[in-house]
Amino acid sequence: GESVGLHLPTLSVQEGDNSIINCAYSNSASDYFIWYKQESGKGPQFIIDIRSNMDKRQGQRVTVLLNKTVKHLSLQIAATQPGDSAVYFCAENWTGRRALTFGSGTRLQVQP
Amino acid sequence: NAGVMQNPRHLVRRRGQEARLRCSPMKGHSHVYWYRQLPEEGLKFMVYLQKENIIDESGMPKERFSAEFPKEGPSILRIQQVVRGDSAAYFCASSPEGQGANEQYFGPGTRLTVT
Repeated sequence: GESVGLHLPTLSVQEGDNSIINCAYSNSASDYFIWYKQESGKGPQFIIDIRSNMDKRQGQRVTVLLNKTVKHLSLQIAATQPGDSAVYFCAENWTGRRALTFGSGTRLQVQP
Repeated sequence: NAGVMQNPRHLVRRRGQEARLRCSPMKGHSHVYWYRQLPEEGLKFMVYLQKENIIDESGMPKERFSAEFPKEGPSILRIQQVVRGDSAAYFCASSPEGQGANEQYFGPGTRLTVT
C-alpha cells in the first residue's frame, strides 16, 4: 500500500551545525505533510507542517521543503542543539482523511 | 491547560488477558485517534472516533480489538485475549472540532507488554 519512508535511519551532527532530514512519500494524492519530533518515552510533538500548494515553509530554526515532482520533503534544522536529539518522523495525509500515515523515522544524534 | 492524558503509562498483561487503555483528550477536543508504534518504527493509524461514533477504523485489526469514545468519560482501546505481538506503544491523539489533522496533539502513550 501507500507509505511514507525515510532515507537515513540515523543522522549524527555536531552541535551548531545544520541538520537535514529527508523523507520520501509515494501517495500522489497526499496534500498535507507534517514533521514530528519524538523524544524517548514521549509522544510525538508537532514541529512544522506544509500543504502541497507550497514548496517551502519556515518556522523557528526549522524549515520544511516539499518537492512534489519527486515526492520528497525535508526538514532542515539550523544551529542544531543537544536538545534536538530525538527521532523525527514525517507524516502525511490527504483531503478528507484525518488519519496520518507516518514514516519509519530518523534518529538525530547531536554531538557536543 | 492539561494535554492529552493516557493511562496507564505502562501495562503488563499475560497472554490471553484483556488490556484496557484509556485516553482523555485535551479540553474542548471531540476527536480522538489511536495509533500503535512498534520499537524503532513509525506510528500506525488504528482508529478515529468522535463522541459516540467510530469514523474510521481502517487500521484496526478485525479481531480482538475494539474502541469506544462514550459521551461521558475517556476513550477506551480494548484488546481482548492479548498475544505477544500486541506488545507495543499505543498513542492517543486528539483534535478540536472543525480543524484538520495538523491539530492532532499526542499523549505520552501506553506501553503494553505481553508476557
